[in-house]
Amino acid sequence: QSALTQPASVSGSPGQTITVSCTGTSSDIGSYDLVSWYQQHPGKAPKLMIYEDIRRPSGVSNRFSGSKSGTTASLTISGLQAEDEADYYCCSYARSRTYVFGAGTKVTVL
Amino acid sequence: EVHLVESGGVVVQPGGSLRLSCAASGFTFDDQTMHWVRQAPGKGLEWVSLIGWDGGSTFYADSVKGRFTVSRDNSKNSLYLQMNSLTTEDTGFYYCVKDGTGNFALDYWGQGTLVTVSS
Repeated sequence: QSALTQPASVSGSPGQTITVSCTGTSSDIGSYDLVSWYQQHPGKAPKLMIYEDIRRPSGVSNRFSGSKSGTTASLTISGLQAEDEADYYCCSYARSRTYVFGAGTKVTVL
Repeated sequence: EVHLVESGGVVVQPGGSLRLSCAASGFTFDDQTMHWVRQAPGKGLEWVSLIGWDGGSTFYADSVKGRFTVSRDNSKNSLYLQMNSLTTEDTGFYYCVKDGTGNFALDYWGQGTLVTVSS
């Protein structure tokens, strides 16, 4: 159950588009279409932003989108806004009903 | 509206035990798989455990296997986590999380309860 690999930080100016990557293995991301992404503001509980690699829950802005290629998933935030500044975590279903998270990426709006 | 409220977090000595509880409302509890996820202060998220809708299937992260036990009481809409042989590495916020229906995502989170393992 090794953690997924995410960049420690990503930054962008308001209105720009940024992408957060999440790299796993053939045992997790590469085996299932079950990557999810979570947004966490300081002192708050995480919030589901993307599930099943690309799907967006109702109520989540369409500025957030997910994609995947092989063992790497990505979260793209377009039209970056100040309220998007937060920590973002990827998560993948893995073997035997277990889950693995990434270490998290701090998104900064410049 | 889904509501998950954790309780039971306290300061405990290394080697000690603790039981966390989670009260659920706003959804059909006995239809849903439930999870525990933890977060050490200033660190990332770590999946801990899941339990199937009827309590008949349970799964654990390697880091807690053999020490933690997840259970539920559907008559009380409650989820539990029994934590034994605690170490300082178990310190953190513990979140009760609802599983998304059929999508293997973690769709609703409680606010967490803080467990501190310290002598």
